[in-house]
Amino acid sequence: GIQVEQSPPDLILQEGANSTLRCNFSDSVNNLQWFHQNPWGQLINLFYIPSGTKQNGRLSATTVATERYSLLYISSSQTTDSGVYFCAVERSGNTPLVFGKGTRLSVIA
Amino acid sequence: NAGVTQTPKFQVLKTGQSMTLQCAQDMNHNSMYWYRQDPGMGLRLIYYSASEGTTDKGEVPNGYNVSRLNKREFSLRLESAAPSQTSVYFCASSSWDRGVPEAFFGQGTRLTVV
Repeated sequence: GIQVEQSPPDLILQEGANSTLRCNFSDSVNNLQWFHQNPWGQLINLFYIPSGTKQNGRLSATTVATERYSLLYISSSQTTDSGVYFCAVERSGNTPLVFGKGTRLSVIA
Repeated sequence: NAGVTQTPKFQVLKTGQSMTLQCAQDMNHNSMYWYRQDPGMGLRLIYYSASEGTTDKGEVPNGYNVSRLNKREFSLRLESAAPSQTSVYFCASSSWDRGVPEAFFGQGTRLTVV
């Protein structure tokens, strides 16, 4: 099956710093999503981005489908950005999302 | 409130006991899923149901059974719990109805098997 690798596994930032999280995937996909899991365990969808670039406030994401990777950018990080960020992909419609192991982000004041 | 509701939120079982995790969604989604999350492992798929009346195994199905009771409800059963099934379990539902995928997750069930 498709493999999803995320890096780095752990990241500690000072509040206000910027960061880039990476997701590599092993095959073509028709769906790529980034999720944030907050410290209470809730999973929230951030972006649906199988290709191209999207921005939402301080977060943006870029997927280069031909090279099979996606990047999540967090600018001016805040303590509320802490948690685990997951990349998940789907090879074709109506198949389950396959998750990477996540990047655990800790933003300290 | 619209979304995915899981029960219970916490459970402690003794080895060999059985239990059923309940999940319901009210978004009229066709697809529903059960994942487990272990430290450092991300979310791994246990079972999924692409539509009412169908279920399929995921990556880690051993020791589990599922039932898609109707379009709204998808339950996960542990027949004889083992310590290796200590984990956080997430139910999810999804849809491509409007050409863009929507995926929603429940709050999770933290299960400890002693």
